Amino acid sequence: DTAVSQTPKYLVTQMGNDKSIKCEQNLGHDTMYWYKQDSKKFLKIMFSYNNKELIINETVPNRFSPKSPDKAHLNLHINSLELGDSAVYFCASTPWPSGKNIQYFGAGTRLSVL
Amino acid sequence: AQTVTQSQPEMSVQEAETVTLSCTYDTSESDYYLFWYKQPPSRQMILVIRQEAYKQQNATENRFSVNFQKAAKSFSLKISDSQLGDAAMYFCAYRSEDSNYQLIWGAGTKLIIKP
Repeated sequence: DTAVSQTPKYLVTQMGNDKSIKCEQNLGHDTMYWYKQDSKKFLKIMFSYNNKELIINETVPNRFSPKSPDKAHLNLHINSLELGDSAVYFCASTPWPSGKNIQYFGAGTRLSVL
Repeated sequence: AQTVTQSQPEMSVQEAETVTLSCTYDTSESDYYLFWYKQPPSRQMILVIRQEAYKQQNATENRFSVNFQKAAKSFSLKISDSQLGDAAMYFCAYRSEDSNYQLIWGAGTKLIIKP
């Protein structure tokens, strides 16, 4: 059973489109994250939710909107996609409080904007 | 603000040999946690090893061990008896007790294993 699952794994779309990436974890964790990994492999935190509440909201364009319908799900919606949005997006989860706890990652979604 | 530096963009090692990946960090805190994650070509991020700053003993997981030097703010990863399956990007990460437990990531080191 996959602990943190993201769908889709690959997403190819045109500039200007709106797309969503879904994430679900079956670990019973309270905290979930979205990361963006650029072409140079640098990982950047985008958002974090703890029990459906937004706790980290880094400086990302407001075209990116996370939604957490319940603590097991954290979806990422992107409006008006741009070429620079092409990257791999990772979802992760961890128990709360999570100081020493491990973050478990999904397999990533490779987004290609043409 | 805390930062994590991995000064080796790429390292290579002969299969069955030992390799050490370096990581340094900057913080003014005394309580924190350090992690090494591995990202193979499959893209999956996998935890390799974790170290609590209050523990003096270096963490060890099978062939993976760390050299944690708190005063020097250094956290290197040693891989013994390197195997082909160890080929991956390795990321060092730092987390403090506050800041919403956000992980601060290094830029990564690509490890190549030569058969």
